[in-house]
Formats: sequence, structure tokens, C-alpha cells
Amino acid sequence: QTVVTQEPSFSVSPGGTVTLTCGLSSGSVSTTYYPSWYQKTPGQAPRTLIYSTNTRSFGVPDRFSGSILGNKAALTITGAQADDESDYYCVLYMGSGTWVFGGGTKVTVL
Amino acid sequence: QVHLVQSGGGVVQPGRSLRLSCAASGYTFSSHGMHWVRQAPGKGLEWVAAIWYDGSETYYTDSVKGRFTISRDDSQNTLHLQMNGLRVEDTAVYYCARDPLHSFDVWGQGTVVTVSS
Repeated sequence: QTVVTQEPSFSVSPGGTVTLTCGLSSGSVSTTYYPSWYQKTPGQAPRTLIYSTNTRSFGVPDRFSGSILGNKAALTITGAQADDESDYYCVLYMGSGTWVFGGGTKVTVL
Repeated sequence: QVHLVQSGGGVVQPGRSLRLSCAASGYTFSSHGMHWVRQAPGKGLEWVAAIWYDGSETYYTDSVKGRFTISRDDSQNTLHLQMNGLRVEDTAVYYCARDPLHSFDVWGQGTVVTVSS
């Protein structure tokens, strides 16, 4: 079974830039997987940041951006702020009506 | 404004059933596919089930196939998840979500399902 991979954790300084990635245990991620990104904080519903590789969801600031970098999907946060400290999840559409979440990346801003 | 408001959930014994609902407003419900996603305590997010915009297709993660049924009532702008044969490992916060294009954009507030004897 294909596993969606994410870095377990990342640390970024306030005002800094961090790039999270979303890969496959076997193969490359492309736009045909419709990669999407979500921010999840405890006790709250997920917040959609990016869908369909690079489409920013309504109200999401442009310091969040999505792309394909090499063989992975990527979420870049520029100008990191304290309230960006959260868990970030990617999802890939595997086709045939199946979606798979990555394990999530815990981002710390310090 | 687009909203998804969830209801249902609660505490249930293993083997019993529960039905979750998700009421949509602020958009044309019948134009979008819908999903259920869950998060077990201390775990990551997990996709559970999906239904096409017209209800013609439904899909499930392997662990719930044959036990859970996703359905929609376009006349009531409501999504449902019928959960039968519940197991302890189904304990989670369940979220409904709208599908813009093979992903999720709008989310319900979440509802807690606890399966325990």
C-alpha cells in the first residue's frame, strides 16, 4: 500500500521561510494527485490552505503557497508568524475514489 | 456564507450503530461531492468516505467498508454517515467536508464519536 510521506517536524524562526513536502513511498507526486494542504490545531476543525496543487483557499494569505518541487508536493510558508505554529497535513487523491493523508508535520515557530 | 453544521455522535457500545449528519448552507449542495474525515485521539487525519456530487458513486477507506454508509439528501441539503458495527478503533472526531476538486475546502465543526463498553 502506498504511503504518503511528510517530515515529522520542522522549526522556523519568526519571519522566516519553511517548505514542507509531501511525497510517496513509491513514485512521484504530480498535479494529477491534486495535492492539498491543511492546517490543524487542537480542538479546531482543519483549515484548508491549498488545494489542487497551488490554489489558495478563500481567505488564506499569500504567504502560504503550494507547488511541485522535484518529485514531491510542497507547501511554503513565508514570513512565519507565531500563530502558524500548528500541524500541517497533505492529502493526495490516489484515483479510483481514494484519498490518503500524510502523517502530518508539526511546525514550531521559535 | 458557506457553512457545514454537524449533528449526531456520542458514546456507544461496540457493535452498536450511530448516524452522523452534516447540514449544508450558502451554496448549491447538489453541485459538490462530499467527504467524511476523522481524527482518532492522538492520531493524524484519516479520510473515511466520499460521495459524488450526484450520489452516483460512493467510496470508503478499507477499515470501514461494509460497516459505514455515506449518503446525501439533496432535498434537505444534508450529508449522512450511517455507522454500523462500531469498533473501539472508530473512536474519533468526525468531520464532514466539501469537495472543490478532489480535495476538501469547507469543513464542519466536528463531532465526537466514542465507542466504549
